[in-house]
Amino acid sequence: GDSVTQMEGPVTLSEEAFLTINCTYTATGYPSLFWYVQYPGEGLQLLLKATKADDKGSNKGFEATYRKETTSFHLEKGSVQVSDSAVYFCALLGDDMRFGAGTRLTVKP
Amino acid sequence: GAGVSQSPRYKVAKRGQDVALRCDPISGHVSLFWYQQALGQGPEFLTYFQNEAQLDKSGLPSDRFFAERPEGSVSTLKIQRTQQEDSAVYLCASSPYNTGGGNIQYFGAGTRLSVL
Repeated sequence: GDSVTQMEGPVTLSEEAFLTINCTYTATGYPSLFWYVQYPGEGLQLLLKATKADDKGSNKGFEATYRKETTSFHLEKGSVQVSDSAVYFCALLGDDMRFGAGTRLTVKP
Repeated sequence: GAGVSQSPRYKVAKRGQDVALRCDPISGHVSLFWYQQALGQGPEFLTYFQNEAQLDKSGLPSDRFFAERPEGSVSTLKIQRTQQEDSAVYLCASSPYNTGGGNIQYFGAGTRLSVL
């Protein structure tokens, strides 16, 4: 079945550092891909999405490109802030929604 | 409210007790989903409603789990004879359309269930 594998955490970075969180997927067909973020005590919030190959999703300085050839959807941000500290989930939507295990990011001042 | 609302936020149950978790989706949203999120894991799909019809319940872990959405809006997830392994955060999400490519799901804050 469909599945998502993402980089294990936790990830700790200093403010203004470059962020990459790797995500790869296995799917039949052509799923849509998402990154969700979960702040402490809150529900999952959509960060960005891409619905077809080569699409780039972007929001709040975060970007991810749907790479069909490598079945990847890596999340990147050029300069992280303390407020970016959260758990990030990669997800795909095929017949149903499948999530990765989540990657906890801590950004230190 | 404007978002998906879940209640209670926290529930402590004794093993063997029945519990009911409520989800108020965004008004007018057609699709409603329930997920189970174990500690340190991503959400796992439980069940899906399109209006009042439960179209997919393949993720429900046992027949102790039951979900309903009788009027196509509010949904209740019921767990009978709770076990310790049921301890998790239960997330509800809604979506404005039928499932389809790129359809965004909006999540509630979840109900954290602890079974003692």
